[in-house]
Amino acid sequence: DAGITQSPRHKVTETGTPVTLRCHQTENHRYMYWYRQDPGHGLRLIHYSYGVKDTDKGEVSDGYSVSRSKTEDFLLTLESATSSQTSVYFCAISDGGTDTQYFGPGTRLTVL
Amino acid sequence: SQQGEEDPQALSIQEGENATMNCSYKTSINNLQWYRQNSGRGLVHLILIRSNEREKHSGRLRVTLDTSKKSSSLLITASRAADTASYFCATSQGAQKLVFGQGTRLTINP
Repeated sequence: DAGITQSPRHKVTETGTPVTLRCHQTENHRYMYWYRQDPGHGLRLIHYSYGVKDTDKGEVSDGYSVSRSKTEDFLLTLESATSSQTSVYFCAISDGGTDTQYFGPGTRLTVL
Repeated sequence: SQQGEEDPQALSIQEGENATMNCSYKTSINNLQWYRQNSGRGLVHLILIRSNEREKHSGRLRVTLDTSKKSSSLLITASRAADTASYFCATSQGAQKLVFGQGTRLTINP
């Protein structure tokens, strides 16, 4: 998985609790992305980062925030999890050369 | 809204046969990419075709791009059981962002 790890890999939480997912890369790539994957919707971009402390919203950013204080780490936070945020979350990285993205193994999040 | 739409949504063929998947998109693009996702895993990049290219090959993969019809196809020749996966097209309009289709689920029967 191209030097990308995600933690945790699985998480079950309750509605209303905060949740933070971590993406860590060892490739020193500039761009990092958070997607969610749901049946019938494919992959949808939540937020992305184009450098340390530089982030922007994607297609489905409501209810999510991100932070990137170091090149290697990109955090996704659900401030108050809802059942509609039950999904598989993927992190991806890109060096900005050809738009090719490299994906992490995913985090399966269940919000009860 | 999704930029790319794959067709068919699911495809089941016998080992050794060729598999063809199609992708249609709505707006002009810089490039189009195909990714594979094995069950429970992340996506893996397969091949990228630029908007000024019409055909590209990589091993058993052949990708075509018709910008006038806003469509692309992925052909996997001499399929193997290990090709069983979901396949996604993704379009780039620049700005280092991709928009993914919903995928084609390919099953290779032994």
